[in-house]
Amino acid sequence: DAGVTQSPTHLIKTRGQHVTLRCSPISGHKSVSWYQQVLGQGPQFIFQYYEKEERGRGNFPDRFSARQFPNYSSELNVNALLLGDSALYLCASSLGRARGLYGYTFGSGTRLTVV
Amino acid sequence: AQSVTQLDSHVSVSEGTPVLLRCNYSSSYSPSLFWYVQHPNKGLQLLLKYTSAATLVKGINGFEAEFKKSETSFHLTKPSAHMSDAAEYFCVVSDGADRGSTLGRLYFGRGTQLTVWP
Repeated sequence: DAGVTQSPTHLIKTRGQHVTLRCSPISGHKSVSWYQQVLGQGPQFIFQYYEKEERGRGNFPDRFSARQFPNYSSELNVNALLLGDSALYLCASSLGRARGLYGYTFGSGTRLTVV
Repeated sequence: AQSVTQLDSHVSVSEGTPVLLRCNYSSSYSPSLFWYVQHPNKGLQLLLKYTSAATLVKGINGFEAEFKKSETSFHLTKPSAHMSDAAEYFCVVSDGADRGSTLGRLYFGRGTQLTVWP
């Protein structure tokens, strides 16, 4: 079984540009969450999607948006990039059952550098 | 509100000696607690999880953690450190009841960098 797949693995963008990050969850998992990990800190929650609907949003500006497709894959979009958006973006998939009982599986992340 | 505090940003041990990584949590609900490990330039790997069953939780690679409600702690231990244990460790809480959702949002600590000396 393939794990959580994220693409691309690395990305360099210029301030003001737009970026799209992609995530494919484990087969059978219906929930996808996105986290931002700035260097030296723990990951911060951005979004959670379940059955193609947004189920939670963290404290991030409207420049950040996401969606989930019928096959449960997901995209994270960031507009008007700032230097501070440079981070490792992690995708986590889970079955989507109650209270995290079934755990989350993380992808290896996309390293975004904004210059 | 949910949060975790990892009490040490860096821990150094010699190979073969015990490991203790400390974590305190705060949760409005009966929490689900996790420890994740992150090796350099890698994603996060689940070590173990507590979900209101046994208070002593055994994980992978010889790690275990004990849930102590009275102390609001969930410390991670290993009897004998190995060089391959050197990595960043994150204590994580999820309550799953945030905003009425039945799905769990994860709240991470700032991490503890474990160094293992030969």
